[in-house]
Amino acid sequence: DAMVIQNPRYQVTQFGKPVTLSCSQTLNHNVMYWYQQKSSQAPKLLFHYYDKDFNNEADTPDNFQSRRPNTSFCFLDIRSPGLGDTAMYLCATSKTNTLGVRTGELFFGEGSRLTVL
Amino acid sequence: AQSVSQHNHHVILSEAASLELGCNYSYGGTVNLFWYVQYPGQHLQLLLKYFSGDPLVKGIKGFEAEFIKSKFSFNLRKPSVQWSDTAEYFCAVNSGGNTPLVFGKGTRLSVIA
Repeated sequence: DAMVIQNPRYQVTQFGKPVTLSCSQTLNHNVMYWYQQKSSQAPKLLFHYYDKDFNNEADTPDNFQSRRPNTSFCFLDIRSPGLGDTAMYLCATSKTNTLGVRTGELFFGEGSRLTVL
Repeated sequence: AQSVSQHNHHVILSEAASLELGCNYSYGGTVNLFWYVQYPGQHLQLLLKYFSGDPLVKGIKGFEAEFIKSKFSFNLRKPSVQWSDTAEYFCAVNSGGNTPLVFGKGTRLSVIA
């Protein structure tokens, strides 16, 4: 089945130690998103790629970076994780119509739960 | 900026009870509205969506939602819940086009036998 795969599912890291989370998709969707979801909070958009174009949300800390080497893969890099970065990180994809407008439906992976100690 | 409010944090219902989960959004212009569901241990998946047309939207598994523009609401309903409906439910809204999807905090539904 076509899907969105996130790795690792669980990651524990030390304060300040860089971590990379990965996302791959077999849906061939041109838009990929990273959301952060802290306990009992709404998923919060960090950034997204529209094809190769990177779109950062205004309030996303500089500590968070992303790479999309090809259509299928997208990475979230946290350069110096702090305790406040403990959260579930959700990758999602969507596609656009022939006019380049996103359909609005997001397809999610199962998430990577990050714990910073 | 768009914001989404889900007023119920945790709802507990018996099987066969009726369900209504509230969702209100802040933006008064064009909106696309969604309900996503996350079953235990699974990923978020789309339950139903509204873009335009009939404000009563039917989704999967017997769920429906009604868009009431005057109330800025998009409440989720199901006439008779089942144990398998136990999940977390998220309302989400964007302002049309390529605007970001903004999520509510979610409502956890527990259905007991």
